[in-house]
Amino acid sequence: GAGVSQSPRYKVAKRGQDVALRCDPISGHVSLFWYQQALGQGPEFLTYFQNEAQLDKSGLPSDRFFAERPEGSVSTLKIQRTQQEDSAVYLCASSLAGDRADYGYTFGSGTRLTVV
Amino acid sequence: DAKTTQPPSMDCAEGRAANLPCNHSTISGNEYVYWYRQIHSQGPQYIIHGLKNNETNEMASLIITEDRKSSTLILPHATLRDTAVYYCIVLTQGGSEKLVFGKGTKLTVNP
Repeated sequence: GAGVSQSPRYKVAKRGQDVALRCDPISGHVSLFWYQQALGQGPEFLTYFQNEAQLDKSGLPSDRFFAERPEGSVSTLKIQRTQQEDSAVYLCASSLAGDRADYGYTFGSGTRLTVV
Repeated sequence: DAKTTQPPSMDCAEGRAANLPCNHSTISGNEYVYWYRQIHSQGPQYIIHGLKNNETNEMASLIITEDRKSSTLILPHATLRDTAVYYCIVLTQGGSEKLVFGKGTKLTVNP
């Protein structure tokens, strides 16, 4: 597609529920990132994939957060047993390659998760 | 932590130039200055980046001081649609490096 697509656009979850957020990166983009953005704050890094390999997951806040990209294209961010502090916008970004990013990273519009 | 410092907010009149400053006094020789902006309810959007020379594209101009410790993003003729949070980020050019966002500058363009 022309851009990074994220779904759903909005998700309301009851506390304790599991959720799965999907990211479709730009076709051919090798690198894929997930970010979490709390209200009024800048995005914060969660995890990074190069193709199907998860090379950095240092930003995942707890073991309730899990991300995968099994075929090196679509990625899913899963949050188990959601808590109110998980409420945020989850952003996905992709880029062409590991060593050149002349046009920067392309972000999706995000998924707004509200835990009630 | 972010390696840059930006004013929290700025105002600009529609049609005038918006000059957004950024301090990055600890930038290293192989780090680039990138600018992104985030319009309400959207993901961040790439604007421009540079190493040491001034850069210009269809969206903006980037002026980097000779010592590279600061830079200015210039929107030559701001429109209402330029109202957004603008982030200045330093990183080694590469698609595998994570972006570290600070709080950015909230630019409001007024009619």
